[in-house]
Amino acid sequence: AQKVTQAQTEISVVEKEDVTLDCVYETRDTTYYLFWYKQPPSGELVFLIRRNSFDEQNEISGRYSWNFQKSTSSFNFTITASQVVDSAVYFCALSETYNTDKLIFGTGTRLQVFP
Amino acid sequence: EPEVTQTPSHQVTQMGQEVILRCVPISNHLYFYWYRQILGQKVEFLVSFYNNEISEKSEIFDDQFSVERPDGSNFTLKIRSTKLEDSAMYFCASRPREVRTEAFFGQGTRLTVV
Repeated sequence: AQKVTQAQTEISVVEKEDVTLDCVYETRDTTYYLFWYKQPPSGELVFLIRRNSFDEQNEISGRYSWNFQKSTSSFNFTITASQVVDSAVYFCALSETYNTDKLIFGTGTRLQVFP
Repeated sequence: EPEVTQTPSHQVTQMGQEVILRCVPISNHLYFYWYRQILGQKVEFLVSFYNNEISEKSEIFDDQFSVERPDGSNFTLKIRSTKLEDSAMYFCASRPREVRTEAFFGQGTRLTVV
């Protein structure tokens, strides 16, 4: 069965610290997509990244980086030099490809960055 | 930048009443979705819609729920007889034709059933 686990419910850091948000997924599909979304206090869901299961290259975008490891079914997200504006709930999500395109979300990790 | 627009941002309704949540997806998108998020919990899939019909629905999407694309631009979610447990944030999302691009979400409608 498909499942996304974000074991960290809440993380608190002080500004400028690096922080890694963990995501572990389960799927029987060999082709799938993984996503990260950010939900700031205002409530909307903001897309951050999409990776497909054939592309295990790590990605960096500014202070954000993602580490996709198929061997451990993990897709972790690191924020370098965190800022107060990074405070939000971050959701990891999985989309399988066989007969479906829905997103299966994890329970989210609330990140609080203190000045 | 194009965005998915949802109205209203907040709706309060009495138990047993019908509500219609409205969404205007991004104009060239072909796939449409509704998700919901009960306060403090994860985002859950409700239904997907393509080519004027439901392509997939979850167990949550029972006979009380329906979706419609009445005029080629709006995409609505109707709850026929609301229950207290329908209180949640409802998100509309859309994505374009290309395979497995990301879904773009609206800002959500917070539904409160009293």
